[in-house]
Amino acid sequence: KNQVEQSPQSLIILEGKNCTLQCNYTVSPFSNLRWYKQDTGRGPVSLTIMTFSENTKSNGRYTATLDADTKQSSLHITASQLSDSASYICVVSEKGGGNKLTFGTGTQLKVEL
Amino acid sequence: ETGVTQTPRHLVMGMTNKKSLKCEQHLGHNAMYWYKQSAKKPLELMFVYNFKEQTENNSVPSRFSPECPNSSHLFLHLHTLQPEDSALYLCASSQAPPGQGYEQYFGPGTRLTVT
Repeated sequence: KNQVEQSPQSLIILEGKNCTLQCNYTVSPFSNLRWYKQDTGRGPVSLTIMTFSENTKSNGRYTATLDADTKQSSLHITASQLSDSASYICVVSEKGGGNKLTFGTGTQLKVEL
Repeated sequence: ETGVTQTPRHLVMGMTNKKSLKCEQHLGHNAMYWYKQSAKKPLELMFVYNFKEQTENNSVPSRFSPECPNSSHLFLHLHTLQPEDSALYLCASSQAPPGQGYEQYFGPGTRLTVT
């Protein structure tokens, strides 16, 4: 069964600090992996999308990495801001799966002063 | 704000009520989706419409009834819901299937509480 596991479940960091969120998946065959940011009471917003051949992609202070061999991805947030407080969701698509996306349960990040 | 809007944003309904959720996308996309997001659970895909035709129904109970009158509008009609149906209902749209690398854009969601 396709699964996406994220860790940690929740995280609290001080403003200005860096952090790394992890995503492990069992989806096969793999098509692409996305990271979404979801603010409380809002819909998810895409941060990055990576295919099999990409092992890193940046979007401002967000940098995602992908190791398709070990089926792991990470999202690194640099110089965190209060507005980074949100849930970060890892989503993996199956090759040929069309609309079949496997969602993780997310990492709840809180950035404090 | 994304180009996908949802109304209402919050809804409280009794188990015997009938209500509808509305979604509209202003992005010219061909596909629209309904998702359910419950606390501490992954998003669950409910329905998919491509060019107004329903292409997926992921074993959703019949008390949820979708309607897609055109490519820009999607409704979710609700009747005789159960308390466990309380959740955030998200609408999304995309130009083509996200599995092929197309971006999926989400609306802000409707927070539904069934009493």
